[in-house]
Formats: sequence, C-alpha cells, structure tokens
Amino acid sequence: EPEVTQTPSHQVTQMGQEVILRCVPISNHLYFYWYRQILGQKVEFLVSFYNNEISEKSEIFDDQFSVERPDGSNFTLKIRSTKLEDSAMYFCAFKSKEKLFFGSGTQLSVL
Amino acid sequence: DQQVKQNSPSLSVQEGRISILNCDYTNSMFDYFLWYKKYPAEGPTFLISISSIKDKNEDGRFTVFLNKSAKHLSLHIVPSQPGDSAVYFCAAYDNAGKSTFGDGTTLTVKP
Repeated sequence: EPEVTQTPSHQVTQMGQEVILRCVPISNHLYFYWYRQILGQKVEFLVSFYNNEISEKSEIFDDQFSVERPDGSNFTLKIRSTKLEDSAMYFCAFKSKEKLFFGSGTQLSVL
Repeated sequence: DQQVKQNSPSLSVQEGRISILNCDYTNSMFDYFLWYKKYPAEGPTFLISISSIKDKNEDGRFTVFLNKSAKHLSLHIVPSQPGDSAVYFCAAYDNAGKSTFGDGTTLTVKP
C-alpha cells in the first residue's frame, strides 16, 4: 500500500504564528488533498490540488491557508496567522487508482 | 446543510455477525463514494469504494451497496471481527474532487 509521510507529527504554536505542515508521498501522484479533524468532530475537507493547482476548496480554506508543491514531491499546507480554532489533526491524502491514501496526520495545537 | 449523514453514532455487534453501517446524502452531484475506517490518533484507512454507475461492490468481508434513488449507501461487514472495532466514515465526492464526510459511526465488535 502506498505510504504518505507527514511531518511534524505534532506542532505546538502560539496564536498568530505561521505554521507549515508537510506531506511526502512515496511515489509521484497528481491528486492531493488536505483534510482536518477537530477533536470530537468529523473529518472536514479543506482543499484538493491537481497538477500543481488548487482544483477545489472548502469554506474553511480562507486566505489564511495556502498549499504548495514547491519541489515536485513535498506537498505543504501553510497557515499564515494561526487561530485557536485551527487546533486540529491535519491529514494529507493522495489519490491512486480511485483510492485515497491518508497520512498519519499532524496534530496542530495553537495556544 | 449537512450533505452526508450517518445517523447512527454507534453500533455494537457480536463477533461473527453482520455489521451494517448506513449513510445518506442529499447532493445529487456526488458521483463517487468511499468508506473509511479510523482508529484514534491515526489517519483514515480506505476500505471500499463505489461509483454512481454501480449499485454494489464487494471486497472480501466488505460490501458496499448504493441506492441512488434513495440517496443511500450502506457498508456490510460479514463476519464481523473484534479488529473491525473503529470509527467508520462514509465520504462522497463530486467530479471536481471536493469531498464531504459523514460524522462517523463507532463500531464495536464484541468477542
């Protein structure tokens, strides 16, 4: 099964600081996604990224969020100025043969 | 407006019996559906998928049924095993790649 590595596994930051979450799939793929899950709530779609462009984004994905694939392998989610309510588990995923494979997540804690 | 609903927050079954998890959706633009399993502190794990052109897909102990007219899908696990105990999410995708998850159903399989 394809693997997805997410770093860091846990990130603690102060409110207002910028954070960058990283995702590295083992093999090259075109479709990438970011999701988040606030503790006790459902998994929420943030953004889909196809061929180095955002193809779809949710209402959650406002101007504070951005995604990049800077070097063709790493896939990053940046939150420019974190808020308390950004505390959540963030999952990246990629699509392969109509299946989605998820990373183990980054737990973001905003203090 | 919750477009994907899993009305049962929890389900408990005896080992060896059938587990049936249900999911309802409202958006007729959804054309692809997936079921995921999630353990605490881990990313979701893909289980099985179905496209809107099919009404059934089977993979080992897992079978997904899609009733398009009722906008309803279900996941059958038979026979259920204690290792199946987890939170199960259904997710629906439109052709733009945007996905919506249900709230999840916690399945407990008792030995």
